[in-house]
Amino acid sequence: GENVEQHPSTLSVQEGDSAVIKCTYSDSASNYFPWYKQELGKRPQLIIDIRSNVGEKKDQRIAVTLNKTAKHFSLHITETQPEDSAVYFCAASRDSSASKIIFGSGTRLSIRP
Amino acid sequence: DSGVTQTPKHLITATGQRVTLRCSPRSGDLSVYWYQQSLDQGLQFLIQYYNGEERAKGNILERFSAQQFPDLHSELNLSSLELGDSALYFCASSVLLGGGEQYFGPGTRLTVT
Repeated sequence: GENVEQHPSTLSVQEGDSAVIKCTYSDSASNYFPWYKQELGKRPQLIIDIRSNVGEKKDQRIAVTLNKTAKHFSLHITETQPEDSAVYFCAASRDSSASKIIFGSGTRLSIRP
Repeated sequence: DSGVTQTPKHLITATGQRVTLRCSPRSGDLSVYWYQQSLDQGLQFLIQYYNGEERAKGNILERFSAQQFPDLHSELNLSSLELGDSALYFCASSVLLGGGEQYFGPGTRLTVT
């Protein structure tokens, strides 16, 4: 069945450094790839998303890249700050009807002061 | 606040029992999704409804069922509860049928003793 693999499961970076989280997906028909951030004890919230007709999207310190040929996409956070500490989930789905969304297993990002 | 409400916030029940979790989507959103998040686990997609109809199914157990009512609120019914069903259950809503931002509710924490 469809699957989304996410790596690493935990990541610790020095404040100010960059963090990269990678995901691969199996369903070649997937064309919508969101990233959600979940702070401790809170609900997941969308931080950025990308559709398959775009290779890269950036929003301030956050960027996502997509390689459809290789079926992988990545989240890049630059100039990390303490408030970036959270669990990040990638996901893949089809932008169509009757489509289930598959989430990756999550990456726990810790920012060291 | 995402605009999605879930009740109750917490639920403690015994094995073998049945419970109903309720979700009200954001005003105008026709899609409702249900997720299960066990301790330190990722988001497991359970089921999606769109405008009253079931549209996508994930890893939902046969003991679980859901429905979406004409006023668009949704209920997730969990029966013959087992210890392993203890988890945080999230509801999310979106305006689109697929491929768009999902707004998560605060979740219902279910504890089965």
